[in-house]
Amino acid sequence: ELKVEQNPLFLSMQEGKNYTIYCNYSTTSDRLYWYRQDPGKSLESLFVLLSNGAVKQEGRLMASLDTKARLSTLHITAAVHDLSATYFCAVFTSGTYKYIFGTGTRLKVLA
Amino acid sequence: DSGVTQTPKHLITATGQRVTLRCSPRSGDLSVYWYQQSLDQGLQFLIQYYNGEERAKGNILERFSAQQFPDLHSELNLSSLELGDSALYFCASSRTSWGTGELFFGEGSRLTVL
Repeated sequence: ELKVEQNPLFLSMQEGKNYTIYCNYSTTSDRLYWYRQDPGKSLESLFVLLSNGAVKQEGRLMASLDTKARLSTLHITAAVHDLSATYFCAVFTSGTYKYIFGTGTRLKVLA
Repeated sequence: DSGVTQTPKHLITATGQRVTLRCSPRSGDLSVYWYQQSLDQGLQFLIQYYNGEERAKGNILERFSAQQFPDLHSELNLSSLELGDSALYFCASSRTSWGTGELFFGEGSRLTVL
């Protein structure tokens, strides 16, 4: 059974700082997604990574995928308060038709 | 607005009761996924349908069932409800069932079992 783990689970950081969230998964996959969820709200798609070495950037967020290491990273550059949210990675495994979500990383950016 | 519609948004009921949650996918999307998110928990995959057929099952309890209708809307039925079933239930849709695109999530149905 596919397992998707994120670390850290909680992250409190100062505005202006950089940090990276890690997403590890247990079986072969080359399809990984990042989502953002604000408290009590729905999930918003951030990035779609569909091949080894894929890198996507949007504003202060950059996501990458290393399928050989079964690892994706979400890098935050010069954090601002508006980035405070919970971030989830999700992995799709061919043949199972499932998107399995990670445990989530709750990010709090302090002014 | 993701284009995925879920009703009801909030539901309060008693233990032992049965409820039905409804989901209309984005126009053109053939796949519907159901997830359960308990308080401070991640998203647990329940079940997936593609064009009316069940494609994948997760940790869905036997008390829960779902279906996708010819017009592609889906319903999740929860019966013999227990306190632990209180959660936010999300429906998501995608164009295909082979993971080439992201999921688009509805606003969720918040179920409270008293």
